[in-house]
Amino acid sequence: QSALTQPRSVSGSPGQSVTISCTGTSSDVGGYNYVSWYQQHPGKAPKLMIYDVSKRPSGVPDRFSGSKSGNTASLTISGLQAEDEADYYCCSYAGSYTVFGGGTKLTVL
Amino acid sequence: EVQLVESGGGLVQPGRSLRLSCAASGFTFDDYAMHWVRQAPGKGLEWVSGISWNSGSIGYADSVKGRFTISRDNAKNSLYLQMNSLRAEDTALYYCAKAPFGELLPYFDYWGQGTLVTVSS
Repeated sequence: QSALTQPRSVSGSPGQSVTISCTGTSSDVGGYNYVSWYQQHPGKAPKLMIYDVSKRPSGVPDRFSGSKSGNTASLTISGLQAEDEADYYCCSYAGSYTVFGGGTKLTVL
Repeated sequence: EVQLVESGGGLVQPGRSLRLSCAASGFTFDDYAMHWVRQAPGKGLEWVSGISWNSGSIGYADSVKGRFTISRDNAKNSLYLQMNSLRAEDTALYYCAKAPFGELLPYFDYWGQGTLVTVSS
């Protein structure tokens, strides 16, 4: 049960777009369309941003989008805003268990 | 309003046991799967265990398999995590999280504020 691989940090200026990758294997990300993404601000509980690879829960801005190719899932945030600065985690089904990525710190410059 | 309130955390010696509880309200508890997710201080999220709406499907992370037991009481709208043989590496903030579906999928749409478990002598 190895954690999914995410970049430790990404950054972008307000208005720009950033993409966070999440690499797994054919046993998790590549094997199922059950990938989700979470946003976590310091001292707060995580918030579901994307599920089923690319679906947005009600209330999540359409600036957030998800995709998947092979064993790698991606979260793209367009039109970056200051409040998007947070930690982001991917998560995937892996058969009998669930696995998170190590997390990516997004800095809005 | 969905509310998840964890309790039962605290300081415990290595090798001892602790039972966490999560009181749920604001939704039909027995319609949804539930999970425990933990976060060690300054670290990332780690899925611990999940249970489907009717307890028919249960899963554990390898790191806790054989030591932790998840259960739910739908009549009491409550989720539990029995933690035995605790280790220093189990030290973390333990979140109770609700799934948006009844099946055991890796989605968590509501989270509690967490209960802190510290394993130390």
